[in-house]
Amino acid sequence: ETGVTQTPRHLVMGMTNKKSLKCEQHLGHNAMYWYKQSAKKPLELMFVYNFKEQTENNSVPSRFSPECPNSSHLFLHLHTLQPEDSALYLCASSQDQNSNQPQHFGDGTRLSIL
Amino acid sequence: GQNIDQPTEMTATEGAIVQINCTYQTSGFNGLFWYQQHAGEAPTFLSYNVLDGLEEKGRFSSFLSRSKGYSYLLLKELQMKDSASYLCAVKGSFNDYKLSFGAGTTVTVRA
Repeated sequence: ETGVTQTPRHLVMGMTNKKSLKCEQHLGHNAMYWYKQSAKKPLELMFVYNFKEQTENNSVPSRFSPECPNSSHLFLHLHTLQPEDSALYLCASSQDQNSNQPQHFGDGTRLSIL
Repeated sequence: GQNIDQPTEMTATEGAIVQINCTYQTSGFNGLFWYQQHAGEAPTFLSYNVLDGLEEKGRFSSFLSRSKGYSYLLLKELQMKDSASYLCAVKGSFNDYKLSFGAGTTVTVRA
């Protein structure tokens, strides 16, 4: 399925670097999500945008900064990350945040912090 | 808070049946989702239950009992490609749009 595309697929960065993750959806959805997935742990919701407005910041450290320029694109800007931030970062989209339609996920960005 | 429990790992033989249980304790309930996630890939939607009973989709079926806070995903006629992680996710009340996920059950299918 190519409905939700994430780039890059893999990213290795030092703690002092600045990088951005990109997500694009071609499904005409109005809600987009960032999740963190660590081994053997449940998906953790980080941010939600609904019709381009941020509706959720789940106590995420300020070293993670989301941006949603339009309903099709979502970014996660990263700076001065910590080793514990190494994880798979998944983007998802849905019709809107209140819909019972399923969320559609991208393949994720595997992030490693040195 | 939300609490979603599912077994960590299960192993079964090709052609067999496996049942993955999920129990939940949530503030409100507005549906339960099952997703399949192959290693290194996106979670993909399998099923959605909001009313009690069994929903069948080919080799996969999902069951829900709201009074017991319980669901299961049944995989029949297992194939090697069914080796994956299976995620249970619960949506709270209508005004709480967030999904709460379990940690996932890794199913390994052996020849």
